[in-house]
Amino acid sequence: DAGVTQSPTHLIKTRGQQVTLRCSPKSGHDTVSWYQQALGQGPQFIFQYYEEEERQRGNFPDRFSGHQFPNYSSELNVNALLLGDSALYLCASRAGTPSYNEQFFGPGTRLTVL
Amino acid sequence: AQSVSQHNHHVILSEAASLELGCNYSYGGTVNLFWYVQYPGQHLQLLLKYFSGDPLVKGIKGFEAEFIKSKFSFNLRKPSVQWSDTAEYFCAVNARWNNDMRFGAGTRLTVKP
Repeated sequence: DAGVTQSPTHLIKTRGQQVTLRCSPKSGHDTVSWYQQALGQGPQFIFQYYEEEERQRGNFPDRFSGHQFPNYSSELNVNALLLGDSALYLCASRAGTPSYNEQFFGPGTRLTVL
Repeated sequence: AQSVSQHNHHVILSEAASLELGCNYSYGGTVNLFWYVQYPGQHLQLLLKYFSGDPLVKGIKGFEAEFIKSKFSFNLRKPSVQWSDTAEYFCAVNARWNNDMRFGAGTRLTVKP
């Protein structure tokens, strides 16, 4: 079992550019959540996808958008990048939406915005 | 809005010492509570969780946590730490029917051999 995988591992972009991050959930999982973890902080919830729809969203601007595909994999898109978007982006998956089902995290994508 | 506070930024202990990491949350409703651990170079992984029932929950690797509703606290404990417990520990909470999970800022634990 490969667990949750994310690509790329690292990414460097400049202000104003757009970026797409990818996530494959753990086998058997159909719900994907994305988190942003700034240096020295805990992860912050961005949004959750289930059945190819955004089910819940944290306090992030519309520049952050996502998509879930029929195979449950997911993308996180960030437009008009700001320096403050530099962070580790984590993907997590679970089976179904109930929050009592264990959530498994991926290794993250480190985004640096110059 | 929900928030989570972890009292200690960095804790340094010697092997065999006892550990207690504080976690307080602010939310008026029913919550689910979690402790996650991130070992150096590894993914975040679940240590333990509380949803209902016995407020003293046991997790992996000898860790336990106690939910004290009146104090809005969910402190993590281990009677005797090992060098391999060196890691970052995160407390997290979400409202029972809400998947917006809020994490604390984390506590870095260093265990000296």
